Amino acid sequence: DAKTTQPPSMDCAEGRAANLPCNHSTISGNEYVYWYRQIHSQGPQYIIHGLKNNETNEMASLIITEDRKSSTLILPHATLRDTAVYYCIVREAGSSNTGKLIFGQGTTLQVKP
Amino acid sequence: DTGVSQDPRHKITKRGQNVTFRCDPISEHNRLYWYRQTLGQGPEFLTYFQNEAQLEKSRLLSDRFSAERPKGSFSTLEIQRTEQGDSAMYLCASSGSGTLGAGSGGSSTDTQYFGPGTRLTVL
Repeated sequence: DAKTTQPPSMDCAEGRAANLPCNHSTISGNEYVYWYRQIHSQGPQYIIHGLKNNETNEMASLIITEDRKSSTLILPHATLRDTAVYYCIVREAGSSNTGKLIFGQGTTLQVKP
Repeated sequence: DTGVSQDPRHKITKRGQNVTFRCDPISEHNRLYWYRQTLGQGPEFLTYFQNEAQLEKSRLLSDRFSAERPKGSFSTLEIQRTEQGDSAMYLCASSGSGTLGAGSGGSSTDTQYFGPGTRLTVL
């Protein structure tokens, strides 16, 4: 079972920041938080990941709480092309495990004009 | 394009027929994963290869399913005697062999990158 909880859906106005929350209260010390998104009928697209520090890349920012029990993905200026299902996944690090991803239901983000 | 590729993109078959899908991972990636995704659900893990060795199989992978990665490069997923319940999107992902670095932002060698998927419809 997925170790994360996300709201099933959210709306965001075009040009505004989209803040997608994720709860992972049972996360362990060696597990990373990954975010992927899936646009209709395409394969999942990697967005960002982090362990405990906040992270930023060209696509998004990831804010992880100090106790690591929750995180927020921020899309700073949402566009219509950001409409997708967003998945938050916790994943154990280390080369000794398979690293398989366990997806939940994700959050369907609808960006509106 | 140097991403993960899958072939075919769409497959329609009749119940009872055999089908085979191919995945070409990102070159130099030694880890390869197959997932299955049904309508309205998130992808579910099926199996994992490290180089040519199949190291993990999900209980979802019934004996009608077989996956191979003979030379540690491309992989095939075969479904024998297809059933209507096999209708789904079959996704392939690959990653490198590196271990995640602490605090790494952006991509790392252990990040999985997905292909476009093969959509199977069993009539």
